[in-house]
Amino acid sequence: RKEVEQDPGPFNVPEGATVAFNCTYSNSASQSFFWYRQDCRKEPKLLMSVYSSGNEDGRFTAQLNRASQYISLLIRDSKLSDSATYLCVYNAGNMLTFGGGTRLMVKP
Amino acid sequence: SQTIHQWPATLVQPVGSPLSLECTVEGTSNPNLYWYRQAAGRGLQLLFYSVGIGQISSEVPQNLSASRPQDRQFILSSKKLLLSDSGFYLCAWSVPLGVAGGEQFFGPGTRLTVL
Repeated sequence: RKEVEQDPGPFNVPEGATVAFNCTYSNSASQSFFWYRQDCRKEPKLLMSVYSSGNEDGRFTAQLNRASQYISLLIRDSKLSDSATYLCVYNAGNMLTFGGGTRLMVKP
Repeated sequence: SQTIHQWPATLVQPVGSPLSLECTVEGTSNPNLYWYRQAAGRGLQLLFYSVGIGQISSEVPQNLSASRPQDRQFILSSKKLLLSDSGFYLCAWSVPLGVAGGEQFFGPGTRLTVL
């Protein structure tokens, strides 16, 4: 079983749509969680941290369910510029473990 | 603010040639430093990490090595490149564990093609 599992997609959605990604992780000792965004042929960039109580940053909402070991990312009112690959990540100790990413394509 | 630099941005090398990729961080002290490789269409694979000068931990056995000669400098090397070494090499930094949540920040990467 992979340490972090994500649906690779692609998710093809129209502008303005709401889209949700889920991710499951296997390491119950994971301490903190993140979503990164990676544009084609670019480096990953931190999108947001994920807190147990859930957190929101503008159009983006992240949720963590430790009991079920899954993390979610909700994007509302999708923009063309949201097209990218979204990486689910957890931290255990000094190490980050990355999922393979979910590709999102927002169409006009 | 902190910035991280990597060079070169792209590199084409023949099989069997040596490799040296450099990464430097500005605006922070005693960072944790990391080298990752991302093969085409694949996820990130951690290669090496360092918590201080001269301290290197290897995650994957291979023909690559890393060195940290200065606090904010991290170098990835190879004596003889293989075709399978092709990929996107990313350097990252983080503050030491316990200071923050462990977020890592990536440099712009080096795209290496071995022919």
